[in-house]
Amino acid sequence: QKEVEQNSGPLSVPEGAIASLNCTYSDRGSQSFFWYRQYSGKSPELIMFIYSNGDKEDGRFTAQLNKASQYVSLLIRDSQPSDSATYLCAVSGYSTLTFGKGTMLLVSP
Amino acid sequence: GAVVSQHPSRVICKSGTSVKIECRSLDFQATTMFWYRQFPKQSLMLMATSNEGSKATYEQGVEKDKFLINHASLTLSTLTVTSAHPEDSSFYICSAQGGAGNSNQPQHFGDGTRLSIL
Repeated sequence: QKEVEQNSGPLSVPEGAIASLNCTYSDRGSQSFFWYRQYSGKSPELIMFIYSNGDKEDGRFTAQLNKASQYVSLLIRDSQPSDSATYLCAVSGYSTLTFGKGTMLLVSP
Repeated sequence: GAVVSQHPSRVICKSGTSVKIECRSLDFQATTMFWYRQFPKQSLMLMATSNEGSKATYEQGVEKDKFLINHASLTLSTLTVTSAHPEDSSFYICSAQGGAGNSNQPQHFGDGTRLSIL
């Protein structure tokens, strides 16, 4: 059974701070790692994906992958109230995508 | 790029009605499409995976005769909820994946369909 674990939160950060969202996965054969953002009542939106160990930056977002530790994270710099949402970690190997249950992020003005 | 259109966005209908939901990839060819269901405050639940031109693969516990999936072209998949009942009320979301069967490609989601059965 492939598992993707996330802390459900909520993770509360003040506006302008760095938000750090974490995810662990059980399948060592996993090859692709995705972060989705889901606002309440809306469908998920792809934010970033990462395939290789290390960091990948896109604007205010940085994805970090450590395959040895089976750990992937998402950093959001200069957090804004509009970043308040549930962030879903998703992991793919040779078949379908496995989603975590998501971490709720609350950014207070 | 990677736009997925899903219609209708909301359906309210009487018990016993069949409801059809369409999912279209607008700017890429979707070799694989996925259908999810999400209940309030719960995580996404994969219902089925469909590849163009072949039968859908349903997840355990999902009734294939109740949730009919058709993936007739590389840009269109449909989900029909047959004889819907109040317990079928949920948020149904499709996603599409390109890359000729490469499961490591991102899935791109439609906006979802909120189904309410009275």
